[in-house]
Amino acid sequence: DIQMTQSPSSLSASVGDRVTITCRASQSSGNYLNWYQQKTGRAPKLLIYSASTLQSGVPSRFSGSGSGTDFTLTISSLQPEDFATYYCQQSYYLPWTFGQGTRVEI
Amino acid sequence: QVQLQESGPGLVKPSETLSLTCAVSGGSIGSYYWSWIRQPPGKGLEWIGYVYYSTNTNYNPSLKSRVTMSVETSKNQFSLNLTSVTAADTAVYYCARGNSIYHFPSNYYYMDVWGKGTTVTVSS
Repeated sequence: DIQMTQSPSSLSASVGDRVTITCRASQSSGNYLNWYQQKTGRAPKLLIYSASTLQSGVPSRFSGSGSGTDFTLTISSLQPEDFATYYCQQSYYLPWTFGQGTRVEI
Repeated sequence: QVQLQESGPGLVKPSETLSLTCAVSGGSIGSYYWSWIRQPPGKGLEWIGYVYYSTNTNYNPSLKSRVTMSVETSKNQFSLNLTSVTAADTAVYYCARGNSIYHFPSNYYYMDVWGKGTTVTVSS
């Protein structure tokens, strides 16, 4: 299985901060990388697919980049509603696998 | 607006079979990769597998020997069966729509619609 490793596992930030989360794949995953946001007690929500394409309705302060083994999710200006856990997920190899999550908190 | 809703028993006894259904509303079941994902308490997400066009399935090898997924097109729903459950199968189970988009030269896959999740506890 492809192992997805996110860093950091958690971070503290303030409203207005620029936040960067990284995701590293154990093997090249091309651009087959998706990002999800999960708030406590809620289902995950798709933010970005194919590494850099913003899902419809997702604010433009979210952006994704990278290819191969190294990927980044950036929130340009953190908003109160962005405090959540973020997961990367590769869909290049079966089984699809997720990173362990990055918790963004105040 | 497509919506998904999981249903099934919240409590299953060890060694028995966990059976869940996901009802699809606001759209047809169509040609999507209907997926199941689970999340043990306080932990991350684990992809269980998907069913595509009723007959094409792909399961996580870690669960493959115990998992069966199917689609009931006439009822616009799909289902998950997980046999011989243990306490390690206690989790929130989500159903999701796997979608794809073609960017030359490849199809890219992602899960764009999720159910709210249902909690399943394995206990006697």
